[in-house]
Amino acid sequence: AQSVTQLGSHVSVSEGALVLLRCNYSSSVPPYLFWYVQYPNQGLQLLLKYTSAATLVKGINGFEAEFKKSETSFHLTKPSAHMSDAAEYFCAVSDNFGNEKLTFGTGTRLTIIP
Amino acid sequence: DSGVTQTPKHLITATGQRVTLRCSPRSGDLSVYWYQQSLDQGLQFLIQYYNGEERAKGNILERFSAQQFPDLHSELNLSSLELGDSALYFCASSVGLGEGEQFFGPGTRLTVL
Repeated sequence: AQSVTQLGSHVSVSEGALVLLRCNYSSSVPPYLFWYVQYPNQGLQLLLKYTSAATLVKGINGFEAEFKKSETSFHLTKPSAHMSDAAEYFCAVSDNFGNEKLTFGTGTRLTIIP
Repeated sequence: DSGVTQTPKHLITATGQRVTLRCSPRSGDLSVYWYQQSLDQGLQFLIQYYNGEERAKGNILERFSAQQFPDLHSELNLSSLELGDSALYFCASSVGLGEGEQFFGPGTRLTVL
């Protein structure tokens, strides 16, 4: 069964500092990997996705993630945090054999310190 | 705005009751997914429909059922409600099969008293 593990349920960074949110996956087949963001009282918005085309994936709002097969990781980064980045971030996985259900991690709440 | 709409936004009901949540997918999307988000279980996949047919089932209770209609909107029916069913229920849609990208609606917050 596929799964993702997000290390750190809460992460705090200063405005302007590097954002690093960690995600490790477990999958028996080449996975599709996703990062979603959830702002308070809103639905989930797709930040970026990995579908094996390129290991470094650029997303919206300046976020990017790198797929590392040897480390089974798909960490999310942003060079300089903005106050508007405060939200909950979810890593998710699905396999690429037509099974589109997403298996989510437990989420990481990102707080930006002014 | 993802283009996925869900109604109602909030629902408050009592234990033992039955409710129906409605989802309209993005124009052109054939797949609809239902997810439950709760504090203790996190985000969990419930069920998927593709062009009117059930495609995949996740951790969906027998008290819950869903369907997708010919116009592609979907309804999630929750019956014999328990306090533990209180959660945020999301609908998502995607173009078809194997596309991997799902667009989420704003959710329906269900409170069971």
